[in-house]
Amino acid sequence: KNEVEQSPQNLTAQEGEFITINCSYSVGISALHWLQQHPGGGIVSLFMLSSGKKKHGRLIATINIQEKHSSLHITASHPRDSAVYICAVSGEYPGNQFYFGTGTSLTVIP
Amino acid sequence: GAVVSQHPSWVICKSGTSVKIECRSLDFQATTMFWYRQFPKQSLMLMATSNEGSKATYEQGVEKDKFLINHASLTLSTLTVTSAHPEDSSFYICSARPGTRVVEQFFGPGTRLTVL
Repeated sequence: KNEVEQSPQNLTAQEGEFITINCSYSVGISALHWLQQHPGGGIVSLFMLSSGKKKHGRLIATINIQEKHSSLHITASHPRDSAVYICAVSGEYPGNQFYFGTGTSLTVIP
Repeated sequence: GAVVSQHPSWVICKSGTSVKIECRSLDFQATTMFWYRQFPKQSLMLMATSNEGSKATYEQGVEKDKFLINHASLTLSTLTVTSAHPEDSSFYICSARPGTRVVEQFFGPGTRLTVL
């Protein structure tokens, strides 16, 4: 069983739709990260969370530490949001090893 | 924000040759750098952890003589794929961890290696 599970694996949405990607984890963590990987490969860090909720533009990330669950929301989705979204957790000190989810491939259709 | 660069962004080489990939932290000092490998439609797989001035720690199943890692300074780590073979073709990504904030990692843009 993977330490980090994401759902769905693939998601197709119409432009403007509200999108939710879910992440569950089974290890103790020091933080949870949402990453974005565009075709061509480069990875961008969107959020780092250890509690509560963060918002950046149309992106919102939440985490529930007790339930070991996080969600990434995209409001008013746009074709440029099409990418793979990866949930990762950094384990507890001292190793802080990263565990990666398998990613959610999002396609937003105009 | 913290920026990590990789060079080259893509490389094509003949089987049997060696390829060096550089990973640089541009605006911070990285006491630890990580090298990942990613196969198509799969997530990142950690290959090794590199601490400045010491030997890299390799994950199980990763050949240290095949994938040579050098972390000679706080801003540069290199991965050399020695005697590359077609099965080494992959996307290699590095990340860097600032010494002062051990939780965060900043990712490089990746290097696409194709071995003919």
